[in-house]
Amino acid sequence: GAVVSQHPSRVICKSGTSVKIECRSLDFQATTMFWYRQFPKQSLMLMATSNEGSKATYEQGVEKDKFLINHASLTLSTLTVTSAHPEDSSFYICSAREFGESYTFGSGTRLTVV
Amino acid sequence: RKEVEQDPGPFNVPEGATVAFNCTYSNSASQSFFWYRQDCRKEPKLLMSVYSSGNEDGRFTAQLNRASQYISLLIRDSKLSDSATYLCVVNGQAGTALIFGKGTTLSVSS
Repeated sequence: GAVVSQHPSRVICKSGTSVKIECRSLDFQATTMFWYRQFPKQSLMLMATSNEGSKATYEQGVEKDKFLINHASLTLSTLTVTSAHPEDSSFYICSAREFGESYTFGSGTRLTVV
Repeated sequence: RKEVEQDPGPFNVPEGATVAFNCTYSNSASQSFFWYRQDCRKEPKLLMSVYSSGNEDGRFTAQLNRASQYISLLIRDSKLSDSATYLCVVNGQAGTALIFGKGTTLSVSS
């Protein structure tokens, strides 16, 4: 089946630094990828929809200048958390769907900002 | 009102028990419905799709009632390995993002 590779799986960074998370679709082209965030004991909340070759669409309340999304190719989308703060510590996960198939998730990135 | 609501639990049951989870969704235009399973600190994995006619996959049975915007999941003969969080998920149009409920935690003990 379709596979989405997400890296890194875990990252610890200092407050004020930026962190980049990558998601790659393997063996299929993903014109659209979805970025979610999950806080402990909470549901996955959609942050943004990443579209290849165009600007991402952000959900209400998600700062586009803080969470930079780049979808430069049909197989790669990146999420950069800029000037990270402890409240950004969370589980970030991407998802993509091969045409006609079910949604596939990356393995997630656990971000800890200290 | 949240788009997808679930009883968070936890549900603590012995092995062999039958357990039922319920879910309601607010958007009547939702078109696709799923149950996902999420283990601690892992990505969610598709358990099964849910259809109006109801569908069964081994010990798991899912039901959808569009009129009342209600989805259910029944697990029979619970196993220790069923311990996880079960996420109720809906989708508008194909290709749009999945909308997740908060999840219901199940703990099966021996």
